[in-house]
Amino acid sequence: DTAVSQTPKYLVTQMGNDKSIKCEQNLGHDTMYWYKQDSKKFLKIMFSYNNKELIINETVPNRFSPKSPDKAHLNLHINSLELGDSAVYFCASSQASGTSGHRYFGPGTRLTVL
Amino acid sequence: GQQVMQIPQYQHVQEGEDFTTYCNSSTTLSNIQWYKQRPGGHPVFLIQLVKSGEVKKQKRLTFQFGEAKKNSSLHITATQTTDVGTYFCALNTGNQFYFGTGTSLTVIP
Repeated sequence: DTAVSQTPKYLVTQMGNDKSIKCEQNLGHDTMYWYKQDSKKFLKIMFSYNNKELIINETVPNRFSPKSPDKAHLNLHINSLELGDSAVYFCASSQASGTSGHRYFGPGTRLTVL
Repeated sequence: GQQVMQIPQYQHVQEGEDFTTYCNSSTTLSNIQWYKQRPGGHPVFLIQLVKSGEVKKQKRLTFQFGEAKKNSSLHITATQTTDVGTYFCALNTGNQFYFGTGTSLTVIP
C-alpha cells in the first residue's frame, strides 16, 4: 500500500494555465507538506499543514494555493503557470508537527511549463 | 527558506571506494536527519541523530553527529552501484527544519 501518493506523476502544460496536484497519505499523520525541487535538486519547503491548518507558508507566489479538505489530503493549485514553475513537486507527511518527525515523501509530480 | 551547503556537491567514485558527505551548520541543532534520493525517485528517510557525538551504522553506512551538534557526516564503505543517488541532510534547529543542498553520488562500475 502506498503511504503517500500524488497525482499526476507528470504534468506538461502551457504558460498561463491553471493546474492542480493532489496528495493523499494513509499513514494517519497530522502534518503534511509541499516541497519544490528545482533542477539543481534543492528541496525547498513551500507549505506545511497540521490537522488541516496552515502552519508554514514560505515565500511562495500567491499563485500557489494549498487546500487541505481533511488531514489525509493536501492539494496544490497553481494559477497562471510560469516557466519558472517547472520543477518536481513533492508532497510529504510526518507524524509530528513543526520541526519534529521525519518526512515521508510522495513519488513527486514533474511539472513542465512550456 | 534556509539551506545549508553540503560538501561535496558531486562525487564520482569507482565501485568499491569509500564515500563521505558532510553537512555543516552554523547553528546548534536539535537533531539531524539523512535522506537518500535515487535518480528519478523521491527522498527516503535513512536515519536521525540526536545526541552529541552520536554514531550510528546501517550496514555499510556510518552516520556521525558532531560533538557540538553543528555538523554531521555520512560515510559509505566500499560503495556499490546501488548506492547511486543524492544524499541530503535535514537540519532541525528546534525552530526550523530545512534540507541541505545534497551530494550527488555516482558509482562507476
